[in-house]
Amino acid sequence: ELKVEQNPLFLSMQEGKNYTIYCNYSTTSDRLYWYRQDPGKSLESLFVLLSNGAVKQEGRLMASLDTKARLSTLHITAAVHDLSATYFCAVDSMNYGGSQGNLIFGKGTKLSVKP
Amino acid sequence: DAGITQSPRHKVTETGTPVTLRCHQTENHRYMYWYRQDPGHGLRLIHYSYGVKDTDKGEVSDGYSVSRSKTEDFLLTLESATSSQTSVYFCAISEAKQLNQPQHFGDGTRLSIL
Repeated sequence: ELKVEQNPLFLSMQEGKNYTIYCNYSTTSDRLYWYRQDPGKSLESLFVLLSNGAVKQEGRLMASLDTKARLSTLHITAAVHDLSATYFCAVDSMNYGGSQGNLIFGKGTKLSVKP
Repeated sequence: DAGITQSPRHKVTETGTPVTLRCHQTENHRYMYWYRQDPGHGLRLIHYSYGVKDTDKGEVSDGYSVSRSKTEDFLLTLESATSSQTSVYFCAISEAKQLNQPQHFGDGTRLSIL
């Protein structure tokens, strides 16, 4: 069974601080996606990581992928309140016998940034 | 924003009744997906479609059926709703061959089964 584990599941941090969310997965995959979800809203795509060593940055968020370690990280730099949301990573299940494009999601990390 | 419309947006119904949720897209994407989102579980794939009349099961397909008679519409049916199917349902679309493109999600349908 392909498993995707995020940690922490809950994160409360102060504005201006840095932190990292971790996404571990249980089998080989070189396709990983990060999404953001605001309460009661849809999921918004943040990053698409398609190869070992891939690094993408957008504003205060930076995502990276290490396929050998089966690990992706989402790093938050100098957090601001607007980053408060739930963040999901998702792994393409194709290398696990799934169909290309079928995603297995982590349970999400609920981030709360406080002044 | 990707042109995805889910209907209804909210529904309350009783156990044992049939329920159909609709996902309509204007992007002409080949792949469509139905997920459910529950606290503590993230999103889980119910069924997906890779073309007109081509569908397959996902991780949590029991109790659900789907149909896709046109490229733009993907229907999810609960033949006899149960309280365990109370959830938020999301539709997503993608052109899966374009690996650098993520799945795009609709706004969700909040379904309550009493």
